[in-house]
Amino acid sequence: DAGVIQSPRHEVTEMGQEVTLRCKPISGHDYLFWYRQTMMRGLELLIYFNNNVPIDDSGMPEDRFSAKMPNASFSTLKIQPSEPRDSAVYFCASSPRRDSSPLHFGNGTRLTVT
Amino acid sequence: DAKTTQPTSMDCAEGRAANLPCNHSTISGNEYVYWYRQIHSQGPQYIIHGLKNNETNEMASLIITEDRKSSTLILPHATLRDTAVYYCIVRPNTGKLIFGQGTTLQVKP
Repeated sequence: DAGVIQSPRHEVTEMGQEVTLRCKPISGHDYLFWYRQTMMRGLELLIYFNNNVPIDDSGMPEDRFSAKMPNASFSTLKIQPSEPRDSAVYFCASSPRRDSSPLHFGNGTRLTVT
Repeated sequence: DAKTTQPTSMDCAEGRAANLPCNHSTISGNEYVYWYRQIHSQGPQYIIHGLKNNETNEMASLIITEDRKSSTLILPHATLRDTAVYYCIVRPNTGKLIFGQGTTLQVKP
């Protein structure tokens, strides 16, 4: 089991550019979560999917952020256009469908927007 | 979602047991208590979870009071590698996992 895989590990971009973060969940997991972590706000849930369908996107900051899950093995989080305040570590997590199963997190993508 | 209250920071001597408390007085009957930890710049790591009964695994023990309003995570023999931020979270069955500020545990030699 390779765990949750995120790419890239680090991303540096200029303000106004489009940024795409990628996540491969653990095979067989039905739930996928995107989190953002900053010093000021801690770990925030942005959106989560169940069976590739977005269930709750109330944590998505604004329309510049979008997330998709085209199939069970891949998800993207896109920021367009990016701003310096989007600088953070973005984590993806997945969990099985079983009741009360814990989330398994990837190692995150550190995004810096200059 | 039920909220949790944890001390901001704690120290523990290496080799001793680390006991991390958590209050969750508004927990509902269907909400589980989860513990995660995050070592600097890594993703949160699952430790243990429980509903009513005490639980133990290879990493830790979880003690939940009978009224379920508080719990304690026990690391039986803390090592320097256990230095991390520990999060106590209450979560309904398959619901959202919402993180608070956690407890920063510093294990000292």
